[in-house]
Amino acid sequence: EVQLVESGGGLVQPGRSLKFSCAASGFTFSDYAMAWVRQAPKKGLEWVATIIYDGSSTYYRDSVKGRFTISRDNAKSTLYLQMDSLRSEDTATYYCARQIPGYNWYFDFWGPGTMVTVSS
Amino acid sequence: EIVLTQSPTTMAASPGEKVTLTCRASSSVSYMHWYQQKSGASPKLWIYETSKLASGVPNRFSGSGSGTSYSLTINSMETEDAATYYCQQGSSYPPTFGGGTKLELK
Repeated sequence: EVQLVESGGGLVQPGRSLKFSCAASGFTFSDYAMAWVRQAPKKGLEWVATIIYDGSSTYYRDSVKGRFTISRDNAKSTLYLQMDSLRSEDTATYYCARQIPGYNWYFDFWGPGTMVTVSS
Repeated sequence: EIVLTQSPTTMAASPGEKVTLTCRASSSVSYMHWYQQKSGASPKLWIYETSKLASGVPNRFSGSGSGTSYSLTINSMETEDAATYYCQQGSSYPPTFGGGTKLELK
């Protein structure tokens, strides 16, 4: 059974940093691209970042480029998101998602999410 | 960036009623994917590549469309189908989601 479990969210002040992780199990982690998708309170879904299966390429939405870093450790089957220079608009639940291989990006399994609140 | 517009934003349906949710793209896309999200839970892939049902999705659901217009149809509404449905395109970078349709039980 595919499982994705995020951890490390919390309350952080504007301008500060936060790093959280997603532990994967039930599939060969190194075979899949992985993504972070977020959802602000009472809002819709927003893709944040993607890392391909071996970590050699990463992709970011414009609003987080230069502030967020997606990474992975295939030996530990773990995905990470380092968030720097946090802003109030980054407040959201962050979901780790498995991305289907290929040029048509979509996400077949999602974790339960971790909440990040950026506030002073 | 391709903008996806879902309609209606909110709707209510009675058990047994046929329901159609629409997603329109600002430019042509190759496929549309749909997710179901219930309150307090993470999204689940529901329909992928326009018309393929994800594992465990009841066959009263179907998806169709092409180009800039796509739809998700429930043949006969059931209680458990009340949720928010999001469309998503991934054939043009960056991947984008629609704003969602909240489907309630009447």
